[in-house]
Amino acid sequence: AQSVTQLGSHVSVSEGALVLLRCNYSSSVPPYLFWYVQYPNQGLQLLLKYTSAATLVKGINGFEAEFKKSETSFHLTKPSAHMSDAAEYFCAVSSMNRDDKIIFGKGTRLHILP
Amino acid sequence: GAGVSQTPSNKVTEKGKYVELRCDPISGHTALYWYRQSLGQGPEFLIYFQGTGAADDSGLPNDRFFAVRPEGSVSTLKIQRTERGDSAVYLCASSLGFGGSSTDTQYFGPGTRLTVL
Repeated sequence: AQSVTQLGSHVSVSEGALVLLRCNYSSSVPPYLFWYVQYPNQGLQLLLKYTSAATLVKGINGFEAEFKKSETSFHLTKPSAHMSDAAEYFCAVSSMNRDDKIIFGKGTRLHILP
Repeated sequence: GAGVSQTPSNKVTEKGKYVELRCDPISGHTALYWYRQSLGQGPEFLIYFQGTGAADDSGLPNDRFFAVRPEGSVSTLKIQRTERGDSAVYLCASSLGFGGSSTDTQYFGPGTRLTVL
């Protein structure tokens, strides 16, 4: 069975500060990992995904995440927060089994302080 | 082109009633997914179609829930004898379908908010 745990249901950072959203996964097979973002009243949008190539994955809007097998983590970072980054972020896991479903975490709401 | 669309955007119904939620995927996408998102939770997988057939329906909570995709495009999620616990946002996503559900990029619709009174 696979699962993800997102630490912190709410995170607040100042505009211009580092964004760090934490995600730890559990998987009995090599995982594929994702970060999705959900802006208010919009559908989820893929930020980035890890599928066993480079461990440092760059996504859209300046976000990146690093796969660390030893720590079973896939934390999301951005060097400098913008007001437009305020949204809910979901970490998700699947596997290399072709038709495996994607399992989402509970989400972290990111607040940007002016 | 247009993204994934879902109708209605909001649905209020009474306990015990039947509801249908519609999803129009991106044109050309062979894979279609339904999720349910309860308040404070992440999306929870319900069912995955590859073409017209349900490749995985293991997430449907019980036999009151059913989904169809008769022509391999539009899909309808049907809920019979609705209960208050069915209240949630129902999300639909589609993908090209070549890589399989595990890695294909899924494009999500805005969801249908279902409220059962």
